[in-house]
Amino acid sequence: QVHLQESGPGLLKPSQTLSLTCTVSGASITSDDYYWSWIRQPPGKGLEWIGNIYDSGHTDFNPSLKSRVSISVDTSKNQFSLNLTSVIAADTAVYFCARDGGHYCSGATCFNIDAFQIWGHGTRVTVSS
Amino acid sequence: EIVLTQSPGTLSLSPGERATLSCRASESITRTSLAWYQQKPGQAPSLLIYGASNRATGTPDRFSAGGSGTDFTLSISRLEPGDFAVYYCQHYGSAPPMYTFGQGTKLEIK
Repeated sequence: QVHLQESGPGLLKPSQTLSLTCTVSGASITSDDYYWSWIRQPPGKGLEWIGNIYDSGHTDFNPSLKSRVSISVDTSKNQFSLNLTSVIAADTAVYFCARDGGHYCSGATCFNIDAFQIWGHGTRVTVSS
Repeated sequence: EIVLTQSPGTLSLSPGERATLSCRASESITRTSLAWYQQKPGQAPSLLIYGASNRATGTPDRFSAGGSGTDFTLSISRLEPGDFAVYYCQHYGSAPPMYTFGQGTKLEIK
């Protein structure tokens, strides 16, 4: 069974860099079929995709955060990490790591599963002076 | 960028009733890239539906979904107490790669 677990500091001051790690168990992070994402949820609000990493190093990011975000992978520890620079109060949120990918077939045609099947429990990050 | 608009914002129903939730895209989208999630307070979202109409592992058959183009729906028949939660739709677009969520529909007990 695949499990994801987020870890990192829960309190930051404005202008600092947020660094979170997601530890993956039950699956290899180097698998070609899957994509590893960071998603956040501000208090009382909806979900926002931050970015992902796949193929052991390729990344895509939400354009609204791209200038401040980086995601990396440590294959030796089966982990991937998020860095968000110059944090502000609006970055206060629960941060989730999640996995999507794989395939399903309908008749003779197969499609990607573009949905997050596995989620971590989330870690709360507060930005406050 | 695709914008997903969910309606209603809040739906008040009683156990045993049927719920119908809507997700409208700002332009026509590929139905294979539309998903639905359930989120209970203090928990991570849980995938219910992928590819617009395919139930994820563990999703009861009381949950059904469909749609195409810009209009998609999630239906829950015979509501049970554990179904009262917030529901999100989500789309993946490849040009540029981007995952977008709707703002959510809160299903509450009447």
